[in-house]
Amino acid sequence: EVQLVESGGGLVQPGGSLKLSCAASGFTFSDSAMHWVRQTSGKGLEWVGRIRNKADNYATSYTASVKDRFTISRDDSKNTAYLQMNSLKIEDTAVYYCTRWTTARPAFDIWGRGTMVTVSS
Amino acid sequence: DIVMTQSPLSLPVTPGEPASLSCRSSQSLLHSNGYTYLDWFLQKPGKSPRLLIYLGSTRASGVPDRFSVSGSGTDFTLNISRVEAEDVGIYYCMQALQTPRTFGGGTKVEIK
Repeated sequence: EVQLVESGGGLVQPGGSLKLSCAASGFTFSDSAMHWVRQTSGKGLEWVGRIRNKADNYATSYTASVKDRFTISRDDSKNTAYLQMNSLKIEDTAVYYCTRWTTARPAFDIWGRGTMVTVSS
Repeated sequence: DIVMTQSPLSLPVTPGEPASLSCRSSQSLLHSNGYTYLDWFLQKPGKSPRLLIYLGSTRASGVPDRFSVSGSGTDFTLNISRVEAEDVGIYYCMQALQTPRTFGGGTKVEIK
């Protein structure tokens, strides 16, 4: 079964750090670019960032509000992508989803179930 | 950044009747390769978004043919030919032309 499973969410104080994981199965993870998208409670979707595959030099890109605070990485040997979040702010509170992008089907066709991150004192 | 604007905010629909959802982008989503980088997603309560349409008009696997997209450039419409009860949820459009990817605010479809 093709799936993505996020983990690592939880409660953290403002200024703290958290690392999310996205475990992939059922497809060739190393061929995919991996993206993170978040959704605040009752609100819409916001793209966080992405990491490309080895062929594209694992290039990363981020939305302005998280640049210099968040880092996306991947371990193709473990079929896992990561989102390292530092200097967390209250406004980072959201459900974080990972999703894949491939050149074969250039779209976010597979999504995880999400993991909740709450930033609060 | 490309701004995506969806309307209406809420759309009450009658089963069996057609429905149209609008999505506008602040710049053309037509790439020089001929593809239009606009995607549509449906999110049901408590669930992850589900891909419906990509590259402007290509239905994702398992998406019924009652869903179609019209329009080009900056103005698009997601058409549902005959709404079914399972079609309720929030529909989002997203531009995939450039980073940062940006989503519209969503249209909530509910049964009258």
